[in-house]
Amino acid sequence: NAGVTQTPKFRILKIGQSMTLQCAQDMNHNYMYWYRQDPGMGLKLIYYSVGAGITDKGEVPNGYNVSRSTTEDFPLRLELAAPSQTSVYFCASSSNRDVSYEQYFGPGTRLTVT
Amino acid sequence: GQNIDQPTEMTATEGAIVQINCTYQTSGFNGLFWYQQHAGEAPTFLSYNVLDGLEEKGRFSSFLSRSKGYSYLLLKELQMKDSASYLCAVRDRAGFQKLVFGTGTRLLVSP
Repeated sequence: NAGVTQTPKFRILKIGQSMTLQCAQDMNHNYMYWYRQDPGMGLKLIYYSVGAGITDKGEVPNGYNVSRSTTEDFPLRLELAAPSQTSVYFCASSSNRDVSYEQYFGPGTRLTVT
Repeated sequence: GQNIDQPTEMTATEGAIVQINCTYQTSGFNGLFWYQQHAGEAPTFLSYNVLDGLEEKGRFSSFLSRSKGYSYLLLKELQMKDSASYLCAVRDRAGFQKLVFGTGTRLLVSP
């Protein structure tokens, strides 16, 4: 199993540009999450999904959109990028088959908006 | 809402024992997690507590007191590779799948 994969690893965007961060998992997990992590800070939840076709906002959803058309994929869309969106983005997944709902994280995408 | 507090930074010596504390205030509670995060890498799961008491897993142990809103992570026989950030996270009963993370404690282990 590859686990949780994310692409790209790094990206530099100009202000106002758009992009999609890709996330895929091959563990058949029903729950998926997007977090951002700013330097020296904890993880903030952007959006999450409890299954294909179902998504909901987290703590910091403004400026982002998500979709979940399949169990495996959970892309995060940035529209009109702003410098405040410079951060490291982590995708994670979990399963209700695990007693603890432990979250498994992807390697992250480091995004800079200039 | 949720509020999670951890010390920002701690230092310790190789071979020693260190305790990282986490206090939380939540409207509901359905479990507390500890994750380890090395610089530039993704968080990895260390432990999960939902009932009061101590959970031991090798050199790492985690303790929970729900009545005090308090947890600690105990690392024994410290190794240089334990230098990392340790994130405390709480699951709110209302948002069963969602975790709220503290800002993390950066641990530096010196020889």
